[in-house]
Amino acid sequence: ETGVTQTPRHLVMGMTNKKSLKCEQHLGHNAMYWYKQSAKKPLELMFVYSLEERVENNSVPSRFSPECPNSSHLFLHLHTLQPEDSALYLCASRGDGYTFGSGTRLTVV
Amino acid sequence: GENVEQHPSTLSVQEGDSAVIKCTYSDSASNYFPWYKQELGKRPQLIIDIRSNVGEKKDQRIAVTLNKTAKHFSLHITETQPEDSAVYFCAARWSGGYNKLIFGAGTRLAVHP
Repeated sequence: ETGVTQTPRHLVMGMTNKKSLKCEQHLGHNAMYWYKQSAKKPLELMFVYSLEERVENNSVPSRFSPECPNSSHLFLHLHTLQPEDSALYLCASRGDGYTFGSGTRLTVV
Repeated sequence: GENVEQHPSTLSVQEGDSAVIKCTYSDSASNYFPWYKQELGKRPQLIIDIRSNVGEKKDQRIAVTLNKTAKHFSLHITETQPEDSAVYFCAARWSGGYNKLIFGAGTRLAVHP
């Protein structure tokens, strides 16, 4: 284990469902990130949290809603997603480089 | 804007050969350049990184070179082995803050026995 844990590992949800992805880090880092990884595309930065404050939101649709209640936990709340949102969602925390979690493979049906 | 370009998108080599992956970046103030390896179904893992105050760094069979003037950096893998097969991502740390990394699109490396 890397110190960054993501749950669930796999998620299948319908377009009308509401679900949440969870990320937890015990590395003492104070910045956390959500990235989306789609096939044949670069890793896309979605949100940046620094010291529990959202400092960047890269024009992500409002159907994705992040939450960072403390420096160790980061959530991504999902609501009325579209099939094109199916992807691997990676959480990372900042050390010198990033330490990534194992990701949540999301399938929207 | 922030951009990292990576080439080639796929690379196929014979075991024992060398592999080279190249990246260019747009932010001239970037000062940190990590490389990540992602095996199928797994998370990206940091394999080597370089800072802007050095031109080359080696770690066993892996080396990274940086040309700040030209704004490009490269990953070199020598004596490739089948277990080197994976997708490799370069990244540049954006100078605007929050240690934001901008990633290249990735290179799928296949090493054939």
